[in-house]
Amino acid sequence: DSGVTQTPKHLITATGQRVTLRCSPRSGDLSVYWYQQSLDQGLQFLIQYYNGEERAKGNILERFSAQQFPDLHSELNLSSLELGDSALYFCASSENTGLGGYTFGSGTRLTVV
Amino acid sequence: AQTVTQSQPEMSVQEAETVTLSCTYDTSESDYYLFWYKQPPSRQMILVIRQEAYKQQNATENRFSVNFQKAAKSFSLKISDSQLGDAAMYFCAYNRGSTLGRLYFGRGTQLTVWP
Repeated sequence: DSGVTQTPKHLITATGQRVTLRCSPRSGDLSVYWYQQSLDQGLQFLIQYYNGEERAKGNILERFSAQQFPDLHSELNLSSLELGDSALYFCASSENTGLGGYTFGSGTRLTVV
Repeated sequence: AQTVTQSQPEMSVQEAETVTLSCTYDTSESDYYLFWYKQPPSRQMILVIRQEAYKQQNATENRFSVNFQKAAKSFSLKISDSQLGDAAMYFCAYNRGSTLGRLYFGRGTQLTVWP
């Protein structure tokens, strides 16, 4: 157990639907990062939050949004889902800026059918 | 833009032997961090080893060591005395020396360990 908890582990949904992925960071970590892993795109950085505020944004689609709550857990919302959104979504956390590397959760496998 | 290149999509090694995974990166920064992450079939991303660019000494973690060549922008991972449990996808990653913690990943190298 890495200390970073992601739920659910698996999710199957239909095109056009909306889903929410949840991440609880390791105790004491203020930063949360979201990554998407797919076969064709590899590991893509989506977004980073630090202590409730958006810190950096990567290749995140407009259909996707995220937030970090006062208790530091984070949610990634994916809407108007397309087949191409099927991927493994990782959350990671770090104490501060993550310069020393950070801890990943076990991921959420999203399948859009 | 920062890019990380892993030129070996697949590698294999005999148990107890040594294998080296290659990684090159492109950056204009002088201070940064480099990492190797391991992703076994469980999908969990596990930090294997970390190197700070300002340190000339190569990082070592038990059977894992790196050969960091800053001028050549090369960062290879050597696994000694390979074990069956080392079989996984290995990702090289880069992080700028700033307050932004995002990682830039290579496409990965799938390592197979033969008994």
